[in-house]
Amino acid sequence: NAGVMQNPRHLVRRRGQEARLRCSPMKGHSHVYWYRQLPEEGLKFMVYLQKENIIDESGMPKERFSAEFPKEGPSILRIQQVVRGDSAAYFCASSPPRGGYNEQFFGPGTRLTVL
Amino acid sequence: LAKTTQPISMDSYEGQEVNITCSHNNIATNDYITWYQQFPSQGPRFIIQGYKTKVTNEVASLFIPADRKSSTLSLPRVSLSDTAVYYCLVALNSGYSTLTFGKGTMLLVSP
Repeated sequence: NAGVMQNPRHLVRRRGQEARLRCSPMKGHSHVYWYRQLPEEGLKFMVYLQKENIIDESGMPKERFSAEFPKEGPSILRIQQVVRGDSAAYFCASSPPRGGYNEQFFGPGTRLTVL
Repeated sequence: LAKTTQPISMDSYEGQEVNITCSHNNIATNDYITWYQQFPSQGPRFIIQGYKTKVTNEVASLFIPADRKSSTLSLPRVSLSDTAVYYCLVALNSGYSTLTFGKGTMLLVSP
């Protein structure tokens, strides 16, 4: 059973370009979370999605950032017109349909560098 | 959301027992205490979770006093591979919680 997969692992963009980060949850998991980690900082929650629904986006910046989790395919975190401050590691996590533990399974992350 | 406080860093040697204490004075009645581990360039990994008293699994033990205002993660006989950042979190046990990570405790295990 493959774990959470994220691609690309590393992404370099110039200021003003768009960044698209992909996350495939573990098989059977229907809940996806995105977190951002700045250097020397802990992870900060961004958005929580279920298939075709955004459940909680309280951690998402109001502008330039969007996320989706379509019925088919991976979850996408999209950052438009990137700025240097967007440089960070972006982690995706998933959890199964039935809760019970606060156990989220994290992917290896995508490291975004904005030049 | 309950705020957690834990030491920024700890040092240990191989074979020793390591105890990392976390304070969560404002923990709510329905909150659980969860610990994650993160290696460099990797995503966090769930270690253990508890509500009160003591919980033990194959990786660690978690001690929670009666007032639940703190908790202690105990790692028995650490090895070099236990060098990592350890995060203490407090959240509802819904399984769907949005986790709030602090800066964690950087544990360095030396030979």
